[in-house]
Amino acid sequence: NAGVTQTPKFQVLKTGQSMTLQCAQDMNHEYMSWYRQDPGMGLRLIHYSVGAGITDQGEVPNGYNVSRSTTEDFPLRLLSAAPSQTSVYFCASSALGLAGEETQYFGPGTRLLVL
Amino acid sequence: GNSVTQMEGPVTLSEEAFLTINCTYTATGYPSLFWYVQYPGEGLQLLLKATKADDKGSNKGFEATYRKETTSFHLEKGSVQVSDSAVYFCALRTPGTYKYIFGTGTRLKVLA
Repeated sequence: NAGVTQTPKFQVLKTGQSMTLQCAQDMNHEYMSWYRQDPGMGLRLIHYSVGAGITDQGEVPNGYNVSRSTTEDFPLRLLSAAPSQTSVYFCASSALGLAGEETQYFGPGTRLLVL
Repeated sequence: GNSVTQMEGPVTLSEEAFLTINCTYTATGYPSLFWYVQYPGEGLQLLLKATKADDKGSNKGFEATYRKETTSFHLEKGSVQVSDSAVYFCALRTPGTYKYIFGTGTRLKVLA
């Protein structure tokens, strides 16, 4: 199993450009999520999904769009990149359950620089 | 709202020293609590977890006890190794939701 994979590993954008960060998992997990990691801020939840066709906002959703057409994939779209979106982005997945015991598995991250 | 507060880093210790990284939380109800570890250049990995009061999570010599009365989940290890050098994140998940809240992380550096 590859686990959670993310592409690209590193990307440089100019302000106003658009791009999609890819995330895929091969563990048949229903729950997937996107975080951004900034110095001194920890990880902050951007969007999450509890299954194909179902997405919801996290703590910092503005400027980002998501969709979930398959169980395996959960892309994150930046429609018009801004310097404030310079960050490291992590995708994570887990089995679905409300008990809180499920382990989240994280991808290796995508480092994004917006000039 | 819900939040997690971790002690500021970095924490620098000599090999075989005792480690404590403090974590306190604010949440409604009884959240699940987690410690994640991030090694350089990698994503986060679950280190341990506890889902109810007085539960003790443990893994790889690390331990943390869910203390409802003090709203704390401090991470401890009796004897750290150089290989434990990493960033440690405390996190919570509110019951009945799928939203995780992370602390700011504490960097640990262990010297040989």
